Order: sequence, then structure tokens, then C-alpha cells
Amino acid sequence: AQKVTQAQTEISVVEKEDVTLDCVYETRDTTYYLFWYKQPPSGELVFLIRRNSFDEQNEISGRYSWNFQKSTSSFNFTITASQVVDSAVYFCALSEAGAMYSGGGADGLTFGKGTHLIIQP
Amino acid sequence: DTEVTQTPKHLVMGMTNKKSLKCEQHMGHRAMYWYKQKAKKPPELMFVYSYEKLSINESVPSRFSPECPNSSLLNLHLHALQPEDSALYLCASSQATKLILRQDGFYEQYFGPGTRLTVT
Repeated sequence: AQKVTQAQTEISVVEKEDVTLDCVYETRDTTYYLFWYKQPPSGELVFLIRRNSFDEQNEISGRYSWNFQKSTSSFNFTITASQVVDSAVYFCALSEAGAMYSGGGADGLTFGKGTHLIIQP
Repeated sequence: DTEVTQTPKHLVMGMTNKKSLKCEQHMGHRAMYWYKQKAKKPPELMFVYSYEKLSINESVPSRFSPECPNSSLLNLHLHALQPEDSALYLCASSQATKLILRQDGFYEQYFGPGTRLTVT
């Protein structure tokens, strides 16, 4: 069974600080997909990044960066020079290729419990 | 354009009412999803439609009835709900993959703004 753990329930930092959100996953499939989503107070989930299990390259997008390490089953997310607008709940999520085969080419996401990030001015 | 629209934004219904939630996307996606999210919890998958066919039902009670009339629309029909069904209902869509090789990939889901449902 697949599982995603976000051990940090809430993080509070002062604006301009760097912050890292942790994500640890469990899966028996050899091919799987990891995601990060942002959910601001408005409620809409915003897609941030997708990473395939066979692609271990780290990625940087502006102030955001992601560190994928298969050896530790982790997919951590770092925000550099945080801003108040970054305040939101961030979810890490997982899907397995095997489930897609049986799901007609689609599968739902298994989410972690989320990390509530508070950026104070 | 990565927009998924949902109507209504808010819905209050009694336990004997029948109502429907609607979701629409025009991105050409062939997979659509319903999730339920309770306050301070992550979204939980309810249903998956792939190529207009119900492919996953996560043991959802029959008082929730999904429908996919065409590739752009997804409905969730509600009947005889309970107060504990009050939640944010999120619709999502994505490309569906006809997997031939495992490296064919999996596509990110785009979410709508949700319908906040209150059952009284």
C-alpha cells in the first residue's frame, strides 16, 4: 500500500527566510509519480511539480526547488527567500503506475496530511 | 488554459434533498476525478472516470452518484446525505494515459475551486 508522510504539521518563519518542507513516501511499485500541491486559504489546489521515479534530477523553479532522493524515499520542497504570499497548506502526493494499469489509464492521488506554512511579515 | 470550473461554489441542503454538483473542463482531458476534503485534512479520492467510464470507486456510499455525460463534464448527484458529508468537494482532471510502457508517464491533475457543501 502506498503512503505519504509529511511530519511537519505547521511551520512558521519570518519573511525572507528559507524553509524546507519534508515528504517521505512508501510504495511497492518500481514506477511511481510524486507531486507537490499548494492550497491557499481560498481552497483551490494548485499544481506545483511532478516527478517520475525514474528521473532523479532535482529541479529549481524561481524560488522553489525540489530534492528527490530514492535512497531515502524523500521528495523535499524548499522555498528560498519566503514571501507572505507563500503562506498556504502544501501537500505532497503519490500515485503508482501499477494502479494506473488497473484504473484504465488514470489513478487518484494519495496525499500526505499537509504542512501549514505561515510566513510572517 | 488549465481551468477546471465547478458549480455551485456553496451549497446548503437538507438531508432529504436531491442536488447535483457540476464540474467542467475544456483542456481535452480524458480523466476526471471527485475528491472529498474535510477541514484540516487532505483530499480523499472518491471516484475516477477514464475515457468517460467509471474506473475507480473508493467504496463511496450510494447516496453519492457520479455521472460523466461527456468528456468535458462530470456530475456528482447527491441524495439523502448526512451532516457528516459536509465538506469541500473537489473536481480534478488530467490527461489519461494508455499505458504501454511504464515510462509513458502519469499526468498531473488540475483541480477546480471546489464546492463547499453543508448538510443540515
